[in-house]
Amino acid sequence: DQQVKQNSPSLSVQEGRISILNCDYTNSMFDYFLWYKKYPAEGPTFLISISSIKDKNEDGRFTVFLNKSAKHLSLHIVPSQPGDSAVYFCAASAIDGNKLVFGAGTILRVKS
Amino acid sequence: GAGVSQSPSNKVTEKGKDVELRCDPISGHTALYWYRQRLGQGLEFLIYFQGNSAPDKSGLPSDRFSAERTGESVSTLTIQRTQQEDSAVYLCASSLSLAQHNEQFFGPGTRLTVL
Repeated sequence: DQQVKQNSPSLSVQEGRISILNCDYTNSMFDYFLWYKKYPAEGPTFLISISSIKDKNEDGRFTVFLNKSAKHLSLHIVPSQPGDSAVYFCAASAIDGNKLVFGAGTILRVKS
Repeated sequence: GAGVSQSPSNKVTEKGKDVELRCDPISGHTALYWYRQRLGQGLEFLIYFQGNSAPDKSGLPSDRFSAERTGESVSTLTIQRTQQEDSAVYLCASSLSLAQHNEQFFGPGTRLTVL
């Protein structure tokens, strides 16, 4: 039972354009959401997060949007750069837990 | 300072053998987590440790899996009588504490291949 789903295994975007990565979740107890970025042979690194009391959080080129009614969040990267090419994982946690539940990841390729 | 380190980086073993994976967390981090990522899947929680509290072992897939942590330092994940379905990348993470919003810092992982 996948509680966090990233339905697009890969995404290809031209440099300078917007990258939109999507994530859906099923557990209504989740109240904190994160995006991690992973390069080959390295561990995931934290990118940006959002609490369920917000619907948007922005950090430089990265913005995360949360739609609680749809149980959907998205990560926008604009403008996309070749160095953004990596695997992006969506993760979620519940207020009474410390375990992160991850999606399967989306491979982003930014073409120059 | 140094990040989370894991060893070995790669391990190939034969079905039925035992393996031990090691994690050195960031100094001062009281919480330590183990995850695994099987091919094409997301990271799957296995176990976490917080200080001297009893670990949360709810994610361990079978009794062949066990983990220990010495105080607030090194942790080892042991898989006994390995099976082919144990093949995965095993990732360790640490954070300042178990507080929900504390960022988890990940190590590079150990890629385990069971033949």
